[in-house]
Amino acid sequence: AQRVTQPEKLLSVFKGAPVELKCNYSYSGSPELFWYVQYSRQRLQLLLRHISRESIKGFTADLNKGETSFHLKKPFAQEEDSAMYYCARYAGNNRKLIWGLGTSLAVNP
Amino acid sequence: KAGVTQTPRYLIKTRGQQVTLSCSPISGHRSVSWYQQTPGQGLQFLFEYFSETQRNKGNFPGRFSGRQFSNSRSEMNVSTLELGDSALYLCASRLGLPSTDTQYFGPGTRLTVL
Repeated sequence: AQRVTQPEKLLSVFKGAPVELKCNYSYSGSPELFWYVQYSRQRLQLLLRHISRESIKGFTADLNKGETSFHLKKPFAQEEDSAMYYCARYAGNNRKLIWGLGTSLAVNP
Repeated sequence: KAGVTQTPRYLIKTRGQQVTLSCSPISGHRSVSWYQQTPGQGLQFLFEYFSETQRNKGNFPGRFSGRQFSNSRSEMNVSTLELGDSALYLCASRLGLPSTDTQYFGPGTRLTVL
């Protein structure tokens, strides 16, 4: 079965420190990967997708097919980055979105 | 543009009952997906509708069903409720089916089964 694994349930860093949220996926050809974010009392929303190769709110994510990873990184964390982060991918021909269990990021002052 | 809306926001039912949840997509969006979110299993895909047709289905029992109307509004129904059906049910809409179309999520319906 195709899986998305986020090994850390909780990640706590200090403001200004680098942050990396890990995401690993089970191998499958050319995956389409996404990071979604949910801020406190807000809706789940798309943060970035790997095909866009973009930087959103200072976050970037690089697809590493050799390591089957799609880690989310930011060089200097801000308090407003505190949120729940989900990694997801489309799976198979029927295009279901498969989700990791999420990582709660806490950025401390 | 108004966002995705879901009604009701909270629901309490007892085992054996059935429930219907509603989702109104963003205007112009023709695809609606449903997800179940629980602390143990996380987000799990239920099904996706496009132009009133179910296009994709997750691994849930037949007690979970849905439909989409001509105005793209969607409903999902759970029959013979079980305690394990207690969850946050999220709906998401997007323009079409391509994976490049961003999914926009609603606030969810919190279902509690007693």
